[in-house]
Parts: sequence; structure tokens; C-alpha cells
Amino acid sequence: SQTIHQWPATLVQPVGSPLSLECTVEGTSNPNLYWYRQAAGRGLQLLFYSVGIGQISSEVPQNLSASRPQDRQFILSSKKLLLSDSGFYLCAWSEVGVEQYFGPGTRLTVT
Amino acid sequence: AQTVTQSQPEMSVQEAETVTLSCTYDTSESDYYLFWYKQPPSRQMILVIRQEAYKQQNATENRFSVNFQKAAKSFSLKISDSQLGDAAMYFCAYRRSNYQLIWGAGTKLIIKP
Repeated sequence: SQTIHQWPATLVQPVGSPLSLECTVEGTSNPNLYWYRQAAGRGLQLLFYSVGIGQISSEVPQNLSASRPQDRQFILSSKKLLLSDSGFYLCAWSEVGVEQYFGPGTRLTVT
Repeated sequence: AQTVTQSQPEMSVQEAETVTLSCTYDTSESDYYLFWYKQPPSRQMILVIRQEAYKQQNATENRFSVNFQKAAKSFSLKISDSQLGDAAMYFCAYRRSNYQLIWGAGTKLIIKP
């Protein structure tokens, strides 16, 4: 069966520091991968999605970037964090045309 | 552009009773998917149920069922025999033709023991 992992689970970083969040999927090949951000008490905002290695689409221009160095690995990065980057980050995967399945999420606090 | 609206920020129901959560959407597409996701306090997003627009029959998963009204662009979730473990945020989502999901703002469901 398929599983999706995210780490770290929680992260506290100072403003201006770099960021790297990792997401990996097991048990499937060539999945679509997604990064979402969720502010407290709000819905999900799609940040990036990828349909294959090296193929990244950005939905919202901002301080973040994403990369997909391997088929089942998706990384969310920032060179310099802003206070507004705080939130709950969710990674998801899907097979083409089917529903999305989510990882456990990373709670990021920028201080 | 497609939009998804959940007009109930919060709902409460007595344990063992039935509750219905509302969702409306706007689209010009004829073939699409709709989903309900549940987000408990752990914050992991869990798929509850999905509906294909081309199917007239309403989807059902155990105690969870939907009332899909395509012409009215309405997609409500009914939870029967509510249990304490059903307490969560519930999100309605529409899948665009490019497979991206458009999300509603969510409804917080409170279960009263």
C-alpha cells in the first residue's frame, strides 16, 4: 500500500533563515505531488504541484520554491523565511485522475 | 474560475444524531469530481467520500453519504449516527480538469456527548 511521509513534524525557525521540508511517497510510481499551506482555521492554499521529476508548477508567487529531485521526493524550500511563512504545510500525492492523499503535515513557526 | 463555498463555519450535533454539511460550487465544466475531506485535531487530511459528476447515484461510505444536485451545483455531506470521533473540520473540494483541487473554507463539526 502507499504511504506518504513528511518531516520534520514541527519546526521553529528565525526570520531570515533557510527552510527545507521534505516529502516522500512509497508504494507508487510517477505520482502527482502537491504542496499546500494552511493558515490557522483556514482552508488549503495550493503552493506547488509536480507531474514528474523536475516539473514544478507554482500557483502563488512568493518566498518559497519547490523541487522534485527524485520520482517520489518533493522538497519545499526557502532561502530566507518571512514571518508570513508560518503555517501548516501539507504534502499530498495522487495518481493521475484520482483523489489526493495527504501526509501528516509540518507545523512551521517563524519567529 | 471554479469556486467552492461552505456557508457554515461551524455546526454542532448531538451524539448519535444526523447532521448535514453544505457545499456549493461554481463551474462551467460538465465532467468533474467532488470530495469531502475530514481534518481532525491531528490536522492530517483524510478523504471521506468522493462523487463523480457523471454519476447520478449519490456516493455512500458507511455512515457518510452525499446529496449531489448537479443542476443546483450543490454537494452536501450527511453524517448519520454521529460519533465523538467525527468531530473535525470538514472540507469540500472540487477537482479541476488539470487535477488540481479547489477547496472550501471548511466547516467545524462539534459533537455533543
